[in-house]
Amino acid sequence: DTAVSQTPKYLVTQMGNDKSIKCEQNLGHDTMYWYKQDSKKFLKIMFSYNNKELIINETVPNRFSPKSPDKAHLNLHINSLELGDSAVYFCASSGGSNQPQHFGDGTRLSIL
Amino acid sequence: AQSVSQHNHHVILSEAASLELGCNYSYGGTVNLFWYVQYPGQHLQLLLKYFSGDPLVKGIKGFEAEFIKSKFSFNLRKPSVQWSDTAEYFCALSTTGGFKTIFGAGTRLFVKA
Repeated sequence: DTAVSQTPKYLVTQMGNDKSIKCEQNLGHDTMYWYKQDSKKFLKIMFSYNNKELIINETVPNRFSPKSPDKAHLNLHINSLELGDSAVYFCASSGGSNQPQHFGDGTRLSIL
Repeated sequence: AQSVSQHNHHVILSEAASLELGCNYSYGGTVNLFWYVQYPGQHLQLLLKYFSGDPLVKGIKGFEAEFIKSKFSFNLRKPSVQWSDTAEYFCALSTTGGFKTIFGAGTRLFVKA
């Protein structure tokens, strides 16, 4: 059973489009995250939700909007995609603020 | 603000060589420290973690790390690397009560067969 699953695995789209990435975890964790990993492998946190509430919102353009319908899901919607949005986006979850994180397989977003 | 520095961006070793990857952090309070590994094309996986107690922590696949509080360091070691250890290694820090984990920039390890 996959612990943290995100879909799609690959996303190729054109500039200006709107797209969503879904994430689900079956670990019973309270906290979920979205990270962006650039071409140099640098991992940067974007958002974190705890019990469906937004607790971390780093300097991310407001074209990015997370939504957490319940504790097990944290989706990411991106409006008006730009070339610089090309990256791998990882979803993660953890059992607490200082617990290790469990990562999904990533979504490779390529903007044409 | 907390930060994590990994000094080596790229490391190339031959099989059976010993490995030590440096990690230093900046934070004055109690920290939780982690090493994650990302194999090519895969997601990050936890190698080992330090919360408290014995500063020498053993993880999976023969890796260990030592927490030296006076040096603000948490270096990763393995006595004899294998080709399958080729991966990106990330040091990370979280603080008790904080929901953010700070990741270092990563060290790319390439092990020659």
